[in-house]
Amino acid sequence: KQEVTQIPAALSVPEGENLVLNCSFTDSAIYNLQWFRQDPGKGLTSLLLIQSSQREQTSGRLNASLDKSSGRSTLYIAASQPGDSATYLCAVRRPDSWGKLQFGAGTQVVVTP
Amino acid sequence: DGGITQSPKYLFRKEGQNVTLSCEQNLNHDAMYWYRQDPGQGLRLIYYSQIVNDFQKGDIAEGYSVSREKKESFPLTVTSAQKNPTAFYLCASTRTGDKLFFGSGTQLSVL
Repeated sequence: KQEVTQIPAALSVPEGENLVLNCSFTDSAIYNLQWFRQDPGKGLTSLLLIQSSQREQTSGRLNASLDKSSGRSTLYIAASQPGDSATYLCAVRRPDSWGKLQFGAGTQVVVTP
Repeated sequence: DGGITQSPKYLFRKEGQNVTLSCEQNLNHDAMYWYRQDPGQGLRLIYYSQIVNDFQKGDIAEGYSVSREKKESFPLTVTSAQKNPTAFYLCASTRTGDKLFFGSGTQLSVL
């Protein structure tokens, strides 16, 4: 059974510092991996999606890498801002599970001014 | 605006009562999903539907029921058999099976 882990559970950084968020998964047979953002009491917003054949994806200040062989993904957020404060979740999709995702518990990020 | 609408935002359940959470989407997506989120845990899949009049159990379907009579609607009923229903419930949909779009969630609590 696929297990997805995100460490640390919480992180606090001063504004301007780069953020590095980690996601690990136990089964390397994935179809893709997604990073989501969740604000308190809200739904999830998809940030980046990396297909299993890709090594990384970039969108603005966000960059996500994927290393299937080691079962790891990293989300980098450059020059953090207070508006980046949120919980970040990663999720993997199995090749045989159309649209069904296995989620990590998330990393809660606070960016202090 | 296209999107997913969940209602109500907050819901309270009494002992022995069934409650229904609404999920409506106007994105013309075929597939819809219900996830449960507990504090400090990842989302867990309750039920999903890839087409009208068809749905499948997810990882934690016991104590829940769904229907999919219309493409736009996928309501979730939390039955009295669900002994620990307090959680944040999220509905999602997708067209491609890759990018999921989520609603804003319903917080269910027990009185």
